[in-house]
Amino acid sequence: AQSVTQLGSHVSVSEGALVLLRCNYSSSVPPYLFWYVQYPNQGLQLLLKYTTGATLVKGINGFEAEFKKSETSFHLTKPSAHMSDAAEYFCAVSARQLTFGSGTQLTVLP
Amino acid sequence: DTAVSQTPKYLVTQMGNDKSIKCEQNLGHDTMYWYKQDSKKFLKIMFSYNNKELIINETVPNRFSPKSPDKAHLNLHINSLELGDSAVYFCASSSSYSGRARYEQYFGPGTRLTVT
Repeated sequence: AQSVTQLGSHVSVSEGALVLLRCNYSSSVPPYLFWYVQYPNQGLQLLLKYTTGATLVKGINGFEAEFKKSETSFHLTKPSAHMSDAAEYFCAVSARQLTFGSGTQLTVLP
Repeated sequence: DTAVSQTPKYLVTQMGNDKSIKCEQNLGHDTMYWYKQDSKKFLKIMFSYNNKELIINETVPNRFSPKSPDKAHLNLHINSLELGDSAVYFCASSSSYSGRARYEQYFGPGTRLTVT
């Protein structure tokens, strides 16, 4: 069985501030982990993924995430938020199929 | 060069009607999926097809019937539509041959279904 918990359904940051979106997972087998972004009225776009190897993964638009097995976490960060980062972000875990978290709405304040 | 496309983008219909949503991918993938996203943005997988064979069939009412005429297409037919079917339906695809990337899914733009 596998599951994903995203802490905080809404996160607000000021433009230029650090973005931190939290994700914890549960998986009975070594997981593959993903972050997807959904802009308003659009489909989901892959931001980054962890399969094996380096635990710090870099994605598009300046985002990165670190896989921490001991904490079963895969938090998403970006050093400096931009207005265009405002969107819904989904963490997902895959063992046999992709299971999504409930999403975090990121608001960027001017 | 749309990778995963869906038609229609918007669908407004009345209760009791039957409707279909079409999905096509030009990525050469062999696995396709249907997801339902409810009003709270929660995403739930409904079906998955690999090489035209159904491999995932979550607890979905029998009124929903997927059909895959070939690897590049996966359609969703819904009979006797109900108010609770209102949602955004996403199609996605992936490749089972991609090793570590085989669970990386590419999503279509979604079909917003409104049942009145």
